[in-house]
Amino acid sequence: QKEVEQNSGPLSVPEGAIASLNCTYSDRVSQSFFWYRQYSGKSPELIMSIYSNGDKEDGRFTAQLNKASQYVSLLIRDSQPSDSATYLCAVNPRDDKIIFGKGTRLHILP
Amino acid sequence: ETGVTQSPTHLIKTRGQQVTLRCSSQSGHNTVSWYQQALGQGPQFIFQYYREEENGRGNFPPRFSGLQFPNYSSELNVNALELDDSALYLCASSGREYADTQYFGPGTRLTVL
Repeated sequence: QKEVEQNSGPLSVPEGAIASLNCTYSDRVSQSFFWYRQYSGKSPELIMSIYSNGDKEDGRFTAQLNKASQYVSLLIRDSQPSDSATYLCAVNPRDDKIIFGKGTRLHILP
Repeated sequence: ETGVTQSPTHLIKTRGQQVTLRCSSQSGHNTVSWYQQALGQGPQFIFQYYREEENGRGNFPPRFSGLQFPNYSSELNVNALELDDSALYLCASSGREYADTQYFGPGTRLTVL
């Protein structure tokens, strides 16, 4: 059974601090990884994709991938109240049948 | 906005009925994937369509079926609705070169009574 695991939270982070969201996956041959943000009652919005080991930065967001440890994370710098949402980790286990985690609820404290 | 549209936005049905949900993909995208998202859960893959053919299916029963049209729009049909089918149904489109980089539509909220 291919799985993607996330801590459901809520994760509370002060405004201006760094929020760190983590995700582990079970299928070692997975090749591509995604982070989506989902506001309550809305659909998921793609934030980042990452395919290679290491870090990928886009504005305030940094995705980190470690395939040996089967671990992917998302860092949000200078957290803003508008970052309060559920963050979904998604993994493609090479067959394009994307597997999503249950999401981590992030709450930025003003 | 992703350019992916879905209709209707909300729908209420009773157990045993049939429902059809519609999706228009983003311009230039030829692959459409459908997901079911229950409350408090992540989206679950139902199936994917590429060039009008089913291109992968998740663990959903045959009463979940779909179509893709020549303009790459798509339908999801669910027969013999059950209470557990109540969920947000999401359509995502992607280009073939990066079929796993998917952009979601706003979703259809289905309630089965």
